[in-house]
Amino acid sequence: DQQVKQNSPSLSVQEGRISILNCDYTNSMFDYFLWYKKYPAEGPTFLISISSIKDKNEDGRFTVFLNKSAKHLSLHIVPSQPGDSAVYFCAASGVNRGSTLGRLYFGRGTQLTVWP
Amino acid sequence: IAGITQAPTSQILAAGRRMTLRCTQDMRHNAMYWYRQDLGLGLRLIHYSNTAGTTGKGEVPDGYSVSRANTDDFPLTLASAVPSQTSVYFCASKQGPSYNEQFFGPGTRLTVL
Repeated sequence: DQQVKQNSPSLSVQEGRISILNCDYTNSMFDYFLWYKKYPAEGPTFLISISSIKDKNEDGRFTVFLNKSAKHLSLHIVPSQPGDSAVYFCAASGVNRGSTLGRLYFGRGTQLTVWP
Repeated sequence: IAGITQAPTSQILAAGRRMTLRCTQDMRHNAMYWYRQDLGLGLRLIHYSNTAGTTGKGEVPDGYSVSRANTDDFPLTLASAVPSQTSVYFCASKQGPSYNEQFFGPGTRLTVL
């Protein structure tokens, strides 16, 4: 059963506008959340993260929002640029998970396309 | 340059053959992971190792084995490849179980015919 869900497989946004990528999770033990970006023929690269003690984390054009009660997080990219076109993976982790301590659970990814 | 290397970059393999995908990191990270990425399914964990000498099973371990003889290397072996193992394989590492960010290698594209 998918514990981290990205329900939108794709998103298309015009350059300069805001991109909002969404992610939902089911496991209340998750306390750390990450976003990865992946270009074709490359490995995923870390983008931004947020701890469950916060509800917002910002890094330049990228902001992640966490709503713990709704078990929902979102990644905002403002302004969007063509170079942001990539697959974005949401991931979650729990601190106390026994033998799989520190394991990341990934969503299925959202393909973002930013057009000029 | 510090990071994770994977070999080969790509491989076409006949079904039934044995294949080992190599992964080496020079960051002295304790934890290492193997994922497969399939279209529409995201990244699924195959096996992991929290420290040298220990390994564990992930979500999709069947048909794969791993070993962790030292800190730097974490090879993934397909004992008898099947077409359903056609995928892109990523190795990842991180400093330790209590850290969260994983660093990924460039991937190996494997096709099993």
